[in-house]
Amino acid sequence: KAGVTQTPRYLIKTRGQQVTLSCSPISGHRSVSWYQQTPGQGLQFLFEYFSETQRNKGNFPGRFSGRQFSNSRSEMNVSTLELGDSALYLCASRSGDRVNSYEQYFGPGTRLTVT
Amino acid sequence: AQRVTQPEKLLSVFKGAPVELKCNYSYSGSPELFWYVQYSRQRLQLLLRHISRESIKGFTADLNKGETSFHLKKPFAQEEDSAMYYCALKSAGGTSYGKLTFGQGTILTVHP
Repeated sequence: KAGVTQTPRYLIKTRGQQVTLSCSPISGHRSVSWYQQTPGQGLQFLFEYFSETQRNKGNFPGRFSGRQFSNSRSEMNVSTLELGDSALYLCASRSGDRVNSYEQYFGPGTRLTVT
Repeated sequence: AQRVTQPEKLLSVFKGAPVELKCNYSYSGSPELFWYVQYSRQRLQLLLRHISRESIKGFTADLNKGETSFHLKKPFAQEEDSAMYYCALKSAGGTSYGKLTFGQGTILTVHP
C-alpha cells in the first residue's frame, strides 16, 4: 500500500498570502488529521476530518481551515500568513473509527516558510 | 487542560547501556499513552501503545497513574535506536484517536 502523501513538499510564501496544502491518505483510510510541527512548540494538533466532517479542532486561529473530500483526500488552508506560521505541517491518516484503528500513519510533511 | 512533558530534549548513551526516555502527563481522566518514533529521514511512526503492554524493538513502557508517567525503557541500547521519540496522549471518552497531544520530543543518540 502506498503511504500518506503530501503536496507540495516545500513552499515559500510571503506574509499576508494564503496557502493550501494537500494530503492523500492511505487507500481505504477515512480519517485525516493535521499537525503543525515547530522547534518551539513541537507537534500541535490542528484538526481531524472523518468522512468529510471535521470532528476535532485544535487551538489555532480561524485563519487555519481544512476540508475533506469524498475520496478522503484532505486540504488545509492558511489565510493571511504570518511569520509564525512557518512550520512543518504533517498529515496523518487512520483506517476508520473503530477502537482498534488507533494507529496514525504520518506523511512526510510540507515545509512552509513564510518570509 | 491535558499536557505531555518530555523533560529531556537530548539524551546520549553508549551502545549496550540502558536507556530511559521520560514522559510525564497531566490529565484528570484515564488517558491512553503512546510512543511515536522518527528515525533519520523517515516518517513519524507508532512505536508502542500502553494498552498493548508489549515490547517493540526491545522497548517497553509502563503507565504509572500515580506518578502520571509513561517512561520508555530499553535495557541495552543499540545504535539503530538513535532517533527522535515523542510521547503522546489521547484523552479518555469519545475523543478520537486522531487527536493526540504530543510532548516536545527527545532526541536519543546511541554512541558506538
